[in-house]
Amino acid sequence: NAGVMQNPRHLVRRRGQEARLRCSPMKGHSHVYWYRQLPEEGLKFMVYLQKENIIDESGMPKERFSAEFPKEGPSILRIQQVVRGDSAAYFCASSRRDRGADTQYFGPGTRLTVL
Amino acid sequence: AQTVTQSQPEMSVQEAETVTLSCTYDTSESNYYLFWYKQPPSRQMILVIRQEAYKQQNATENRFSVNFQKAAKSFSLKISDSQLGDTAMYFCAFTGAGTYKYIFGTGTRLKVLA
Repeated sequence: NAGVMQNPRHLVRRRGQEARLRCSPMKGHSHVYWYRQLPEEGLKFMVYLQKENIIDESGMPKERFSAEFPKEGPSILRIQQVVRGDSAAYFCASSRRDRGADTQYFGPGTRLTVL
Repeated sequence: AQTVTQSQPEMSVQEAETVTLSCTYDTSESNYYLFWYKQPPSRQMILVIRQEAYKQQNATENRFSVNFQKAAKSFSLKISDSQLGDTAMYFCAFTGAGTYKYIFGTGTRLKVLA
């Protein structure tokens, strides 16, 4: 009964490099959400995906950030040309359905550090 | 816009005692869900308790219970018989019944003292 899996747990990148964060939802869950947690803050919604579809990316910066959830494999959050301000913890959550009645379960997060 | 406010940045409690963490929220929706998540030093987000707004009965999970005051838009978490393992950041979160975005407060850092 594996929960939401995220890897890597820690990722260090130099400015200008690319960061790829992976998320495998819980078994039976087809809805994936990405949140970002800046230091000393709560989590903030970034993007919501279903298989092969981005449903809502209203919380994601317009440039350098992209997300996908392919038919096969994990969901990927990609950050191109990282800057120091991208340093944060990135959490993935999954749910069975996409309404408040269905609790979102969170993964352990990926802590991104940009040098 | 919906907001969640946690006005206590830090709290401490002696082991075995009871502590209450505050949370208020603002929404115009009539049906919604409220959550408390625990984030220990490992940074994993762990669901502690969940409350449906249409239920008048306060949710409880073992040593954890909530005081849900819908009219006041208040949702406090009570931890009884505090244990050292309860030391963590605690986040209050809100979501509307017809949506999927969780709105989080800024958290309360709880330290349980031996």
